[in-house]
Amino acid sequence: DAGVIQSPRHEVTEMGQEVTLRCKPISGHNSLFWYRQTMMRGLELLIYFNNNVPIDDSGMPEDRFSAKMPNASFSTLKIQPSEPRDSAVYFCASTSLPNNYGYTFGSGTRLTVV
Amino acid sequence: QQPVQSPQAVILREGEDAVINCSSSKALYSVHWYRQKHGEAPVFLMILLKGGEQKGHEKISASFNEKKQQSSLYLTASQLSYSGTYFCGTGSVGQNFVFGPGTRLSVLP
Repeated sequence: DAGVIQSPRHEVTEMGQEVTLRCKPISGHNSLFWYRQTMMRGLELLIYFNNNVPIDDSGMPEDRFSAKMPNASFSTLKIQPSEPRDSAVYFCASTSLPNNYGYTFGSGTRLTVV
Repeated sequence: QQPVQSPQAVILREGEDAVINCSSSKALYSVHWYRQKHGEAPVFLMILLKGGEQKGHEKISASFNEKKQQSSLYLTASQLSYSGTYFCGTGSVGQNFVFGPGTRLSVLP
């Protein structure tokens, strides 16, 4: 298995632009998570899906953030409009619940908003 | 509520041992441990699901004291490759799984 695949690896964008991050979970995993990592706040859960359904989006900072999972093999996290404070590394992770064998993380997308 | 990890950072010489602690104010039903190297993604090490459970992974093992709501990660005879930031993640009733702030481990030759 190729693991969890995220794209792009790096994204530099100007303030106000729309940014879309993509994730392909491990085949067979039924749960997908979006995390944001910064030095100040550590690893923060933004949203998670179970069987393609959003279960908890309470970690999404504000309405500028949205996430979708149209099928079991693809998810997107969109920021519109982007702001400099959104600069962070965004990780996607997947696992199988309820038999949780640990999360497998993607390589992450380093987002820089200038 | 985020679990507390201690120490925040530790520096070791190759071959020395270390213990990293993770504690929560909530009753836990699971504890995960991950290691993240600089510029990389966190990598799953192990999960503990039962009180008193201990698990081992090469020279890295962990225990889970359900009563004390804490877990400890033990690194014995540390190697250079053990350097990185170690995160615990905790699962408790009524709360999403949450990661601790991390413990930075540096192993020097």
